[in-house]
Amino acid sequence: AQSVTQLDSQVPVFEEAPVELRCNYSSSVSVYLFWYVQYPNQGLQLLLKYLSGSTLVKGINGFEAEFNKSQTSFHLRKPSVHISDTAEYFCAVSDTGGSYKLIFGSGTRLLVRP
Amino acid sequence: KAGVTQTPRYLIKTRGQQVTLSCSPISGHRSVSWYQQTPGQGLQFLFEYFSETQRNKGNFPGRFSGRQFSNSRSEMNVSTLELGDSALYLCASSVNGGTGAEQFFGPGTRLTVL
Repeated sequence: AQSVTQLDSQVPVFEEAPVELRCNYSSSVSVYLFWYVQYPNQGLQLLLKYLSGSTLVKGINGFEAEFNKSQTSFHLRKPSVHISDTAEYFCAVSDTGGSYKLIFGSGTRLLVRP
Repeated sequence: KAGVTQTPRYLIKTRGQQVTLSCSPISGHRSVSWYQQTPGQGLQFLFEYFSETQRNKGNFPGRFSGRQFSNSRSEMNVSTLELGDSALYLCASSVNGGTGAEQFFGPGTRLTVL
């Protein structure tokens, strides 16, 4: 079984400052890793995913994440945030064996202040 | 290309009633997954369908059921509604539902049980 822990429920940050949203996972099997964003009253949108290869993954809207297998982490970063980045961010995993489901973390609310 | 559509967007029911939610995937997508999102439990996987077959099911009681039609549209049904079923129900589609595949989410149906 897999589980995902997002250590911060809310992260306040000033506009143009860098941000890191933390994600740790637990799994006895190989996993794929994802970050999704949810804006108010909307569904989830994929920001980026790690399947294999380079551990540094670049996504949309200037976000990137680094897969660290030894620390079982997949932290999301952005060097300079905008007001429009205010949203809920979810880290998720799925096993590579074909369970066809995503296991989500509890989410981190990013609040960007002017 | 049109995105994932869910109907209705909002629904109010009373305890004991049943409800049917509908999801139309992106054209060409054959996999449809359903998730329940609540403030307390977060995002939880309900089930996944591919070519009219349920391939995986989450840990929900039998009151939650679903089906998929030959055109890939999917419905989920909740019988004997309980107050705790109040949630945002999200549908996601992907081309074939492979574990590394990007899932595209709809805006959700917000169900309120009174």
